[in-house]
Amino acid sequence: GQQVMQIPQYQHVQEGEDFTTYCNSSTTLSNIQWYKQRPGGHPVFLIQLVKSGEVKKQKRLTFQFGEAKKNSSLHITATQTTDVGTYFCAELITGGGNKLTFGTGTQLKVEL
Amino acid sequence: KAGVTQTPRYLIKTRGQQVTLSCSPISGHRSVSWYQQTPGQGLQFLFEYFSETQRNKGNFPGRFSGRQFSNSRSEMNVSTLELGDSALYLCASSSGEGSWPQHFGDGTRLSIL
Repeated sequence: GQQVMQIPQYQHVQEGEDFTTYCNSSTTLSNIQWYKQRPGGHPVFLIQLVKSGEVKKQKRLTFQFGEAKKNSSLHITATQTTDVGTYFCAELITGGGNKLTFGTGTQLKVEL
Repeated sequence: KAGVTQTPRYLIKTRGQQVTLSCSPISGHRSVSWYQQTPGQGLQFLFEYFSETQRNKGNFPGRFSGRQFSNSRSEMNVSTLELGDSALYLCASSSGEGSWPQHFGDGTRLSIL
């Protein structure tokens, strides 16, 4: 079945450094959503990308959807301790219901 | 507006027992989905309910079942519990077909002894 892989699995950065996580699929994605899960918390929706080559920004976060719609990236500029958590990409499959297929996640740790 | 509420937050069971978890979606949301999260397998889709009907089902054995009531509240049941069923079970709600985002509850942490 379709798998959505994320790299890296873990990332430790110093506060102020940049961070990027990549999401790759073997098949074309209809859309890509990004979620953040803080330690001990639940996934929280960040953004959805639908169009080929789409780029969206939220303050220090930049989200991109690949031209072939098989990959996506999340880039955080100048990380802060509040960015700590696991970042998941996911494809929302509709048509006969809703189903989120999650990527493997990237766990981010930010050190002072 | 209250968020998604899951009860109980923590549960300890032994092998062979069964368990029922509950989820109250955001008011007005009619779609409720269930996910299992484990360190090894990550976040995996269990099933989705809309207007009391199961619309989607993931690749889990028949021991995992669910239902939805007319007020959109949902329950999931796991029978004949196995050690591997230890996980965080998350419920998410949305307004309906093709809708986003999915709003997650805090989950039920199930531990099997």
